[in-house]
Amino acid sequence: QSVLTQPPSVSGAPGQRVTISCTGNSSNIGAGYDVHWYQQLPKTAPKVLIYGNINRPSGVPDRFSGSKSGTSASLAITGLQVEDEADYYCQSYDDSLSAWVFGGGTKLTVL
Amino acid sequence: DVQLVESGGGLVKPGESLKLSCAASGFFFTSYTMNWVRQAPGKGLEWVASITTGSNIFYAASVRGRFTVSRDNAESSLFLQMNSLRAEDTAVYYCARDKGGLRYNWFDPWGQGTLVTVSS
Repeated sequence: QSVLTQPPSVSGAPGQRVTISCTGNSSNIGAGYDVHWYQQLPKTAPKVLIYGNINRPSGVPDRFSGSKSGTSASLAITGLQVEDEADYYCQSYDDSLSAWVFGGGTKLTVL
Repeated sequence: DVQLVESGGGLVKPGESLKLSCAASGFFFTSYTMNWVRQAPGKGLEWVASITTGSNIFYAASVRGRFTVSRDNAESSLFLQMNSLRAEDTAVYYCARDKGGLRYNWFDPWGQGTLVTVSS
């Protein structure tokens, strides 16, 4: 059971918009710690997609965006492309555990 | 280019030890906190350990007392000494550089990972 909760899977057709939620509590996201998102393509290492809740590293398309409110955060992907099929993970810090924590991951399928 | 290359993974029996290495290049290693993150087969990501520039060290509860993280700044290398290995330690172990401030940080970039399998 992960400290941060994500849906196991989401799907959408090419060109559509999907969102992936990441729900925490008052010890992590709700405590004000930043949320970061990673994309893990099949058989590759994770890569940061969004850092500091809303920021995109250079090279990440603006189709990807992040938001945070209260004890939750979301990753939105617009204009879905086949190459977006991957696992997505959120990450933050947890005060009560004194540990960096990840969501369980969400598998995105582009139909 | 920033590059992280892990090595040292392999097949060991429960109770045995293994030492992982991560060779860093393309950035000033001494200036960055470094991390180990693992991923069990078919599972999600789990933070394992971090070592700051001042050698302050943090461990996940699941490995504390069994794993030791260290760094050699002169060689731009990160290490993870894993003792008393258990089947549940089976995973791909990634080395990752730290970005951002303490507790607000993220991991970027990641190495390609090295597989550790603990099985009798």
